Amino acid sequence: AQTVTQSQPEMSVQEAETVTLSCTYDTSESDYYLFWYKQPPSRQMILVIRQEAYKQQNATENRFSVNFQKAAKSFSLKISDSQLGDAAMYFCAYITAQGGSEKLVFGKGTKLTVNP
Amino acid sequence: KAGVTQTPRYLIKTRGQQVTLSCSPISGHRSVSWYQQTPGQGLQFLFEYFSETQRNKGNFPGRFSGRQFSNSRSEMNVSTLELGDSALYLCASSLGTDSPLHFGNGTRLTVT
Repeated sequence: AQTVTQSQPEMSVQEAETVTLSCTYDTSESDYYLFWYKQPPSRQMILVIRQEAYKQQNATENRFSVNFQKAAKSFSLKISDSQLGDAAMYFCAYITAQGGSEKLVFGKGTKLTVNP
Repeated sequence: KAGVTQTPRYLIKTRGQQVTLSCSPISGHRSVSWYQQTPGQGLQFLFEYFSETQRNKGNFPGRFSGRQFSNSRSEMNVSTLELGDSALYLCASSLGTDSPLHFGNGTRLTVT
């Protein structure tokens, strides 16, 4: 079974600085997707970024980028120029690329605090 | 385009009762999945429906059930509620495989 591990329960960053959130995963599959979701106090899970395992190029969405190391099964999220609105719980998640299932496997989450 | 809508937002029930939660997916999305979020266990997959058929089920007791209607709206039912069922229940919809999941705001269930 696939597992996702986030080793940092909490992180903090100063506004305008850069922070990296860590995620490792375990799978025997070769084709899959990885995600970072953000959950603010409003409770809604918001998709931050998505990475296809077959793509070597790291995904980027504005201030958010990932460092995807397939061999090491590592998928970290870098947030540049941190803003107060980035404060939230961040979840790393895995889903198989095999058809017939939309089952996300989540890590336990990292609570990010942004200090003004 | 309207997002995923979950109703109600909050529910308080007593042990032994049953509860039904509702989820309306984004228009055009045929896959609806449900997750339970608790401080101790984190986010756990409950089940997924696609075109009214359950495609996948998580490791939850039979007290947890669901269904999907022809308009893709989904309901989740929990019977004989236990204190441990207190959680945030999240619904997500997608177009299907290879498409990202979009989540609703969740239903906060408290069992007393």
